[in-house]
Amino acid sequence: TQLLEQSPQFLSIQEGENLTVYCNSSSVFSSLQWYRQEPGEGPVLLVTVVTGGEVKKLKRLTFQFGDARKDSSLHITAAQTGDTGLYLCAGVVAVRGTSYGKLTFGQGTILTVHP
Amino acid sequence: EAGVAQSPRYKIIEKRQSVAFWCNPISGHATLYWYQQILGQGPKLLIQFQNNGVVDDSQLPKDRFSAERLKGVDSTLKIQPAKLEDSAVYLCASSLGRLQGQSNGYTFGSGTRLTVV
Repeated sequence: TQLLEQSPQFLSIQEGENLTVYCNSSSVFSSLQWYRQEPGEGPVLLVTVVTGGEVKKLKRLTFQFGDARKDSSLHITAAQTGDTGLYLCAGVVAVRGTSYGKLTFGQGTILTVHP
Repeated sequence: EAGVAQSPRYKIIEKRQSVAFWCNPISGHATLYWYQQILGQGPKLLIQFQNNGVVDDSQLPKDRFSAERLKGVDSTLKIQPAKLEDSAVYLCASSLGRLQGQSNGYTFGSGTRLTVV
């Protein structure tokens, strides 16, 4: 079983601050995804990173995939109250003996941005 | 496009009772997943279907949980009998199922919140 460890588990910051969430594993992933989940809703895909060393930007969010495709980070610049939510990283690996992928989630980071 | 539909949104049952959840995936998505998400944790994969065949059910507690996707579209997840520790949100997701590339994003439903008392 591939284990994805996210840190920190909880993050409480003031509006305007920067933050970074980390996602680490000893396993290699074919790709890694970041999701954001609000209370009462399912996770919503933010980004998929595929290539080792890849960096993607989504407005104030910057995602990086480690060179060895085992880890990733999410950096938010100038956080806003609307960024509050549960952030989940998830790695895609092959289902044994098939050509299909399955998604394994980290435990999530609960971000609270205070006005 | 329409999203992944799940019902019911909420369910409260007593322990040892049975319960069933329904999911309708995005049209054209051959792969369907059921996840269990306990409060404050990341989702855990219970079962993965490719069309109407099971690809992975290694984390499904088969003594009490069952799932089917008879016509390769809708799916149901059943718990019988339920235990207190089954209280969680049950999420259904669908995707194209590809291993590589950018086109393997998952779309999740809003989930069913189950409370076992």
